[in-house]
Amino acid sequence: DIVMTQSPSSLAVAAGETVTINCKSSQSLLYSGNQKNYLAWYQQKPGQSPKLLIYWASTRQSGVPDRFIGSGSGTDFTLTISSVQAEDLAIYYCQQYYDIPWTFGGGTKLELK
Amino acid sequence: EVKLLESGGGLVQPGGSLRLSCAASGFTFADFYMSWIRQSPGKAPEWLTFIRNKANSYTTEYNPSVKGRFTISRDDTQNVLYLQITTLRAEDTAIYYCAKLLYDATYYYGVVDAWGQGASVTVSS
Repeated sequence: DIVMTQSPSSLAVAAGETVTINCKSSQSLLYSGNQKNYLAWYQQKPGQSPKLLIYWASTRQSGVPDRFIGSGSGTDFTLTISSVQAEDLAIYYCQQYYDIPWTFGGGTKLELK
Repeated sequence: EVKLLESGGGLVQPGGSLRLSCAASGFTFADFYMSWIRQSPGKAPEWLTFIRNKANSYTTEYNPSVKGRFTISRDDTQNVLYLQITTLRAEDTAIYYCAKLLYDATYYYGVVDAWGQGASVTVSS
């Protein structure tokens, strides 16, 4: 199985700050056939289902604010949230869909400082 | 608006069986690949299984961790997705989510672009 490792596991931020969440995969998620990285990011607020933010490592899902930016390639990926708002407090998960079984990172909890 | 509504969860004894259902609406259910994902309390989601559409012969894929005990199926006439679980164990206690997979350009991918609200399953005596 591809192991997804996120860091940090939790992060305290003040509103307006920019935060970076890291995700590392145990093998490359870059498929040579289409030069795409098979990596997605989800946001899960307390008591809610996860919500898709980004796929192909950097493509924002429709309706997702542009302060959410995905980047990276191969085995190292980043989710950057610029000017964090109170509504962004949640747990963020990365997920690889390069190979079955699809696997998730352990999550990064974003808390208010 | 895409809606996925799970049902069938509850308290089950170890060794028992359960069938979860997911009623889908707001999209052409028959066209899409569908999946089940679970999340144990305080843990990350775990992908369980997905089923392709009729055009792809309703073929299925499973996480090896559940293969043999979990069976996914679908009824395109009723727009319902199912998950049959047998020989339930305490570690199967989780919220089980029905999930719609992303269709991008010309193919389906293992990205969940719509989640249900989840069905709670507790395995305990």
